[in-house]
Amino acid sequence: DVKVTQSSRYLVKRTGEKVFLECVQDMDHENMFWYRQDPGLGLRLIYFSYDVKMKEKGDIPEGYSVSREKKERFSLILESASTNQTSMYLCASSLAGGPSNQPQHFGDGTRLSIL
Amino acid sequence: AQSVTQLDSQVPVFEEAPVELRCNYSSSVSVYLFWYVQYPNQGLQLLLKYLSGSTLVKGINGFEAEFNKSQTSFHLRKPSVHISDTAEYFCAVRKGPGTYKYIFGTGTRLKVLA
Repeated sequence: DVKVTQSSRYLVKRTGEKVFLECVQDMDHENMFWYRQDPGLGLRLIYFSYDVKMKEKGDIPEGYSVSREKKERFSLILESASTNQTSMYLCASSLAGGPSNQPQHFGDGTRLSIL
Repeated sequence: AQSVTQLDSQVPVFEEAPVELRCNYSSSVSVYLFWYVQYPNQGLQLLLKYLSGSTLVKGINGFEAEFNKSQTSFHLRKPSVHISDTAEYFCAVRKGPGTYKYIFGTGTRLKVLA
């Protein structure tokens, strides 16, 4: 079974801090994703990575950056945290190759509060 | 560009009653469609997926969905729900050809009542 592990379930940080959210998957998946989930808005893609050191912006990349130095690890960075980044953050991974029909496997999420 | 609409934000239903959760997507030449479930304080789990072939897709936990190309719909159904089905359900569609990115609907909160 695919396991996607997010390092923290709950995190509280202060405005202006640099925040790191870590995600690790154990199934050698090429693709990794960061979403934020807000009530009434569903899931919105922040960043996507299809290979080590490769990334693409999603729909809401402003205020975020990512790092993928190893295949199994995908980090989301809030450069200078703001209160409007308080949210649930979900990491996901999927296989690549062939038709782009692979389902995504999700971690349990990190609930981030910025005070 | 693709879009996904889940018209019902909340659906209350009594235990053992049937349920249908609606999902409509914008038209595209080819689509891959998914339903995910999210239990409280957890990530999303795949319920079922439509890639091609038979339009009736069966998933886990007794759920099924029907792909209707003419109505651009992919509604999720279960003939008899249990209290344990209380969760949020998300429909998702591939964003466009040649991409691994998906668009998610805004979710439907299913509440099963005793």
